[in-house]
Amino acid sequence: QKEVEQNSGPLSVPEGAIASLNCTYSDRGSQSFFWYRQYSGKSPELIMFIYSNGDKEDGRFTAQLNKASQYVSLLIRDSQPSDSATYLCAVERFTGTASKLTFGTGTRLQVTL
Amino acid sequence: SAVISQKPSRDICQRGTSLTIQCQVDSQVTMMFWYRQQPGQSLTLIATANQGSEATYESGFVIDKFPISRPNLTFSTLTVSNMSPEDSSIYLCSVVGGVPDTQYFGPGTRLTVL
Repeated sequence: QKEVEQNSGPLSVPEGAIASLNCTYSDRGSQSFFWYRQYSGKSPELIMFIYSNGDKEDGRFTAQLNKASQYVSLLIRDSQPSDSATYLCAVERFTGTASKLTFGTGTRLQVTL
Repeated sequence: SAVISQKPSRDICQRGTSLTIQCQVDSQVTMMFWYRQQPGQSLTLIATANQGSEATYESGFVIDKFPISRPNLTFSTLTVSNMSPEDSSIYLCSVVGGVPDTQYFGPGTRLTVL
């Protein structure tokens, strides 16, 4: 079982719709969860982080965390063509002296006109 | 967030040679990391670059292949040694910053080994 799992996609949504990106993780000791956006040929860009169960909203983005189900998701409302990118879920775990991020393989999102 | 630069941005190298990648940050940071992203894959942590001491390598990565320097709190280098085509990848440095602590990535170095 992979530590962080994402559907590779592509996930295709029409412009203006809600895009829902999902991520599951295996380590119950994970404490922090991040969503990065990566455009083709570019480095990952942090867009959201969440620590507590529930929802966290930032503009058109909402991160949802359910630690009991080991599940984190990202909703993008009013999807725009500029949202077309690969979205990476990252899970952080503290190991006593340091913290490490483990990344999923990413979900490619395509927003169509 | 900190501004991170990497040099070179890309390079094409011959098998058996070595390449040193530089990562410069515009402010002092405690934690710096080196990642690899192979074509079509996600990010894999190579090592944590520790200032003033040896880097901490992840399973599957060794110092002889990926020596790392961290002479101060704003600079680090990663060397990819004795390269083979399997080393063709994007190499990224990242730093921890902000409140709360989050990781930010440099622009990456795209390496092609022929």
